[in-house]
Amino acid sequence: GQNIDQPTEMTATEGAIVQINCTYQTSGFNGLFWYQQHAGEAPTFLSYNVLDGLEEKGRFSSFLSRSKGYSYLLLKELQMKDSASYLCAVVDSNYQLIWGAGTKLIIKP
Amino acid sequence: GAVVSQHPSRVICKSGTSVKIECRSLDFQATTMFWYRQFPKQSLMLMATSNEGSKATYEQGVEKDKFLINHASLTLSTLTVTSAHPEDSSFYICSARSGSPQETQYFGPGTRLLVL
Repeated sequence: GQNIDQPTEMTATEGAIVQINCTYQTSGFNGLFWYQQHAGEAPTFLSYNVLDGLEEKGRFSSFLSRSKGYSYLLLKELQMKDSASYLCAVVDSNYQLIWGAGTKLIIKP
Repeated sequence: GAVVSQHPSRVICKSGTSVKIECRSLDFQATTMFWYRQFPKQSLMLMATSNEGSKATYEQGVEKDKFLINHASLTLSTLTVTSAHPEDSSFYICSARSGSPQETQYFGPGTRLLVL
């Protein structure tokens, strides 16, 4: 079966750094997405990785290791507005998106 | 990034009525659009994949006759919830696939449906 694992909930302090991990077992791999979703809103695109390595975009970075079936989203200089759910999604061999259940990130002052 | 719009953003209707939700890609052409449903505190659930000019592909367990999807053009897909019932109340989200500059899915803002 296909499976995406990420922690259910994480807590971090404003100004700090947090790393959200995602491991996957899928039938084929054609890329991995990270999305941010605030409560009651649709997801917004954060990053897309298809090759191994680190992609940096401002305060957010995403890392991928295809051999390990592993990715992480790194958020630096946390702000209160970063409190949201973070969704990991993998594109499988049929170009279907397989979604993780999301990680709820709580930022404390 | 690319923009996807959805209309309406909220709708309240009586049980037994039909509701149409529009999804538009505003600044790119999308040969493929996706319709998702999300219940509170749950992950997104893919309902169907909509391809321009052909019939939609529905996921297992999703009733084709209840959730009618029409992908009329490269920028418009519609989802019609027919004879809606309270259990259809949910957050419906569409997304459109963009192939440029890289393969990415962009999401609409979602439509919150409440069936009384």
